[in-house]
Amino acid sequence: DGGITQSPKYLFRKEGQNVTLSCEQNLNHDAMYWYRQDPGQGLRLIYYSQIVNDFQKGDIAEGYSVSREKKESFPLTVTSAQKNPTAFYLCASALRTGNQPQHFGDGTRLSIL
Amino acid sequence: AQTVTQSQPEMSVQEAETVTLSCTYDTSESDYYLFWYKQPPSRQMILVIRQEAYKQQNATENRFSVNFQKAAKSFSLKISDSQLGDAAMYFCAYRSEGAQKLVFGQGTRLTINP
Repeated sequence: DGGITQSPKYLFRKEGQNVTLSCEQNLNHDAMYWYRQDPGQGLRLIYYSQIVNDFQKGDIAEGYSVSREKKESFPLTVTSAQKNPTAFYLCASALRTGNQPQHFGDGTRLSIL
Repeated sequence: AQTVTQSQPEMSVQEAETVTLSCTYDTSESDYYLFWYKQPPSRQMILVIRQEAYKQQNATENRFSVNFQKAAKSFSLKISDSQLGDAAMYFCAYRSEGAQKLVFGQGTRLTINP
């Protein structure tokens, strides 16, 4: 079955450490997205990518970086510059054209040690 | 900038009854799309229903239907014959035509009482 796979499910970061969250999709979707969800809040867009080797900042990109070397993969790195990284991170993908909805992965919970 | 507001942080309903979740949005655009997503305790975001702004007819998916009032910028979700599996956070979301970004509301936590 096609879908979006995020790993790991839980991740812990030490102070000053960079960590990378994985997102892989086999839906042949062009666009991919990273969102952050804090308790009691909706999702906020971190980065998105419409095609390979291209990506754009979302509303809260500071302290994060991404790459899109393959259509199927869109990893997110939470850098040490992100001072409040504890949150739930959701990856999504969609066909680029039309009114296609975004499909989401199961998410990664990142916590600070 | 577009904003989405869900004014009901929590709602509860008896099993088998009907419940309506509210959503309003602010935009100056005429072409856009609206979505309702469900987030159960597993935290996965599941698309419930979507509405194109150019369509006057309200979208329906089985027990789920919307009341789309474009002039009032309102997009409420009605769940009929509520089931225990409907318990979740529900998020309303907006996307402009041609844009990639989804703008989410703060969510409404729905509890189903047996």
